[in-house]
Amino acid sequence: DAGVIQSPRHEVTEMGQEVTLRCKPISGHDYLFWYRQTMMRGLELLIYFNNNVPIDDSGMPEDRFSAKMPNASFSTLKIQPSEPRDSAVYFCASSLVIRAGIDTEAFFGQGTRLTVV
Amino acid sequence: DQQVKQNSPSLSVQEGRISILNCDYTNSMFDYFLWYKKYPAEGPTFLISISSIKDKNEDGRFTVFLNKSAKHLSLHIVPSQPGDSAVYFCAAVYGNKLVFGAGTILRVKS
Repeated sequence: DAGVIQSPRHEVTEMGQEVTLRCKPISGHDYLFWYRQTMMRGLELLIYFNNNVPIDDSGMPEDRFSAKMPNASFSTLKIQPSEPRDSAVYFCASSLVIRAGIDTEAFFGQGTRLTVV
Repeated sequence: DQQVKQNSPSLSVQEGRISILNCDYTNSMFDYFLWYKKYPAEGPTFLISISSIKDKNEDGRFTVFLNKSAKHLSLHIVPSQPGDSAVYFCAAVYGNKLVFGAGTILRVKS
């Protein structure tokens, strides 16, 4: 398996525009996570899915952010409208299971560096 | 509200010496802890983990210590190598959530 694949690797957009980030998890993984990395807060969990169903979106900063997982092999994170403070690296990760004592490891994609000007 | 805290933004260590990276947490419900390593332009990769029922886990040059009463864990790297230079993230598991700290930049000087 090629691992978690994210696209695009880099995105530069103007304030107010819609941005869509894409993720293909590792085949067979039941969990998919979206994280945002900033200097101040490190890796923030935005939302996670289990079997394509959103379980916890309490980390999504505002209504401008939305995420979908239409099937087991694809997820999107959308920002509409985008703002300069959304500039960050966005990571997608997938896992078989996240539970103590079991194979608790999430595999990350290479990230999408978003710059909103 | 940062439930997992890495209070040292950066650490510089001489090659061959010990690197100690620290992490504190506030949620006593966390029952599993992990360390991830991240190189520039790459995603974080899993390094080592520890269950809350243990106080130590060792894997080669890497050892993680857990002090539950203090809600503190640390990662020891001995001996440190220049290739260990990266950002290290501490993470904790509660239920199905993996919560990360802000990260510590480790620089190993040769």
